[in-house]
Amino acid sequence: GAVVSQHPSRVICKSGTSVKIECRSLDFQATTMFWYRQFPKKSLMLMATSNEGSKATYEQGVEKDKFLINHASLTLSTLTVTSAHPEDSSFYICSAEPTYRSFRDKQETQYFGPGTRLLVL
Amino acid sequence: AQSVAQPEDQVNVAEGNPLTVKCTYSVSGNPYLFWYVQYPNRGLQFLLKYITGDNLVKGSYGFEAEFNKSQTSFHLKKPSALVSDSALYFCAVRDMRRNQGGKLIFGQGTELSVKP
Repeated sequence: GAVVSQHPSRVICKSGTSVKIECRSLDFQATTMFWYRQFPKKSLMLMATSNEGSKATYEQGVEKDKFLINHASLTLSTLTVTSAHPEDSSFYICSAEPTYRSFRDKQETQYFGPGTRLLVL
Repeated sequence: AQSVAQPEDQVNVAEGNPLTVKCTYSVSGNPYLFWYVQYPNRGLQFLLKYITGDNLVKGSYGFEAEFNKSQTSFHLKKPSALVSDSALYFCAVRDMRRNQGGKLIFGQGTELSVKP
């Protein structure tokens, strides 16, 4: 159980185009999903917290108009990199947190997707 | 501020020897600590977590970690390393303050290399 998928696993696009990455929780509902960016052999940088039915919360320094997040259902969050440029090339990883009834129950481990490799030419 | 430090960028171990990957933390309140492993071009796999209870936590693939409150450490250990354990390891603390949404704060990562 607790499987998270990402699609696509790898994408190559031209500079100036937009790319959408999907994150799905396959066997559980996730009110909250997280989007991370990782550079080669480096730590994960949290970009934003995605909440179902509401606006995402972006970390400081992350452009919300550049990285559009939509969490339309309890099993799907999407990250759209708009007008992508070569510096946006990276490994993007999502994680999903199972829905909880109260804050006290918010101890569940986040489950990570396999990641999406984006290369912008 | 909540933070996690992994002081070693790389750890080299011979197969069959014990391994330790170090992690120290700084949090306000009770720490929620995690270890994850990442293989090349893959997402993160959960190894183990400490929320409360016994200080020695056992996890996947024979790994364990010891929570030490006085030293604010949560070192990852394995009695006998395998070549297949070679990967990137991340220690993380979960920010459980109500205004932080439970986000994970990761250490810098430690690359473990196990040689035959």
